[in-house]
Amino acid sequence: GAVVSQHPSWVICKSGTSVKIECRSLDFQATTMFWYRQFPKQSLMLMATSNEGSKATYEQGVEKDKFLINHASLTLSTLTVTSAHPEDSSFYICSARDPGQGYGYTFGSGTRLTVV
Amino acid sequence: AQTVTQSQPEMSVQEAETVTLSCTYDTSESDYYLFWYKQPPSRQMILVIRQEAYKQQNATENRFSVNFQKAAKSFSLKISDSQLGDAAMYFCASLNNNDMRFGAGTRLTVKP
Repeated sequence: GAVVSQHPSWVICKSGTSVKIECRSLDFQATTMFWYRQFPKQSLMLMATSNEGSKATYEQGVEKDKFLINHASLTLSTLTVTSAHPEDSSFYICSARDPGQGYGYTFGSGTRLTVV
Repeated sequence: AQTVTQSQPEMSVQEAETVTLSCTYDTSESDYYLFWYKQPPSRQMILVIRQEAYKQQNATENRFSVNFQKAAKSFSLKISDSQLGDAAMYFCASLNNNDMRFGAGTRLTVKP
């Protein structure tokens, strides 16, 4: 079945630095990938839709300049948290749809970001 | 815009018993899909079951089945013969036009 690989699984960074999270579709091409944020004991909130070869579409209230998304190939999307602050600490999850799997979405294993 | 509501923050079931998790949704689209995802402590999202809105027949996957009431916009999940491994957060989700939205989740506890 479709596999989405997300790295790193967890990362700790200092305030003011940038962190990059990668999301790869391993056995299928994904023209669109999605980035979610999940706070403890809460649901997944869609942050942005990543489109291969074009600009990402951000949800209302998500800062484009803070959460940079790049989808340079059909198998890789990256989320860069720039100038990280402690309030950016969260669990970030990506997902993608494998056209060969119908309308199902596959999720990465998530990245726990802690900003100190 | 679409919204998904799960009104049960927590549910508990005895091992081998049956439990039903509730979900309602609201969408203006006629073509959409509904899902139940399981999120264990590892936080990996696992697809449990899915339903196409245009299908009247309720989806079934082994011990998991749904009760899809399109007019009422209700999509409940029934877990039969509950097992300890079923303990997790369960999220209901709706999808249309590449836009997937989740409910707040229900934490299911399975008592031995």
